[in-house]
Amino acid sequence: DAGITQSPRHKVTETGTPVTLRCHQTENHRYMYWYRQDPGHGLRLIHYSYGVKDTDKGEVSDGYSVSRSKTEDFLLTLESATSSQTSVYFCAISVKGRGNSGANVLTFGAGSRLTVL
Amino acid sequence: RKEVEQDPGPFNVPEGATVAFNCTYSNSASQSFFWYRQDCRKEPKLLMSVYSSGNEDGRFTAQLNRASQYISLLIRDSKLSDSATYLCVVYVRDSSYKLIFGSGTRLLVRP
Repeated sequence: DAGITQSPRHKVTETGTPVTLRCHQTENHRYMYWYRQDPGHGLRLIHYSYGVKDTDKGEVSDGYSVSRSKTEDFLLTLESATSSQTSVYFCAISVKGRGNSGANVLTFGAGSRLTVL
Repeated sequence: RKEVEQDPGPFNVPEGATVAFNCTYSNSASQSFFWYRQDCRKEPKLLMSVYSSGNEDGRFTAQLNRASQYISLLIRDSKLSDSATYLCVVYVRDSSYKLIFGSGTRLLVRP
């Protein structure tokens, strides 16, 4: 168990409101990720972090910001939620996979289901 | 064209059947390959890595064909508990390092 906790697990909000999702890990992993999952799409990377205050954009970062002020917490913020951001959001940490040089194996949190009305 | 493509299914098979899924990838800089399993309304979990020579883990066998750029997952003696969505994942190292997820193949195993 990688000790990843996401909160809230479910949220319904209205268009234009700010939303923050929290990912908390207990095992001091350096790399943390935020993905979104939508029907017909694979998991898509929003942002990732490689250390405290070190973050970078993924492939679908527009409309999202992140912060990592402590190793254990990685926050995803939607400054002004839109209906297109209705999705399931997964946080993940990575560990080096055995036998796959350079490849990271991801362990995911349980997900946060966000509905924007 | 998606970088990683999977047949969405569903594959509906009886218990005890053998079922195979394929996944194709388009980026020749793909270096590592994985299968993840995702149960309904749950998070994805690593099922197995895919090695160049092919590898087996109990009833599950993964194969890689670099020339044709596809990977496969074979499940023998299907169990009801194998019902899930199977995600093909490719690790690409070109100008960046990234994991690319397929959208998954759904498997339903019936009694």
